[in-house]
Amino acid sequence: DAMVIQNPRYQVTQFGKPVTLSCSQTLNHNVMYWYQQKSSQAPKLLFHYYDKDFNNEADTPDNFQSRRPNTSFCFLDIRSPGLGDAAMYLCATSRGGRNLQETQYFGPGTRLLVL
Amino acid sequence: AQSVTQPDIHITVSEGASLELRCNYSYGATPYLFWYVQSPGQGLQLLLKYFSGDTLVQGIKGFEAEFKRSQSSFNLRKPSVHWSDAAEYFCAVPVGLSNFGNEKLTFGTGTRLTIIP
Repeated sequence: DAMVIQNPRYQVTQFGKPVTLSCSQTLNHNVMYWYQQKSSQAPKLLFHYYDKDFNNEADTPDNFQSRRPNTSFCFLDIRSPGLGDAAMYLCATSRGGRNLQETQYFGPGTRLLVL
Repeated sequence: AQSVTQPDIHITVSEGASLELRCNYSYGATPYLFWYVQSPGQGLQLLLKYFSGDTLVQGIKGFEAEFKRSQSSFNLRKPSVHWSDAAEYFCAVPVGLSNFGNEKLTFGTGTRLTIIP
């Protein structure tokens, strides 16, 4: 039944040690998004893919990268996590389109802790 | 730029009481508006959305929202809350991304709802 799956649900990493978060979807949606949500804050878009086309938000740090090897999977790579990167990372999908009416479907999130 | 504001950071309601969560939008034309709910430690789930037409929108879990242009508001309501409604509620507006014609969601700061017996 799960439509947007994120693994792991909890990730602990060390300061500066690269980490990869995973997202998969069974909806066959064109667009996949990564949002960062810090404690008691609203989610903030980091980047998104439309099919294989990558779009980075202007204020997303270079430390954050993403890969989308196929329609179903998308990865978030944090090259050198800092303490300020501790957050919930949310993956979302949508069919994509130009009418601003598409629903985004969110996964349960991965909570990242940086020690 | 389109944005939404949620004036209430935290609201406490007794179980069985009615609920209204406020959302104000900033946009000249008629915006598209969404309400999402986030249960503790979980992702976001769409409650309802407004695009046009009937200004009273019905959603899941017994929620509804009313679009009021005169007040620039899209408040979320529920006539009788249940303990399971305790969560964070986000109002959101889609913002076009020029590259591919897709959109991102710009969220309000959220309202945390606590239910007391």
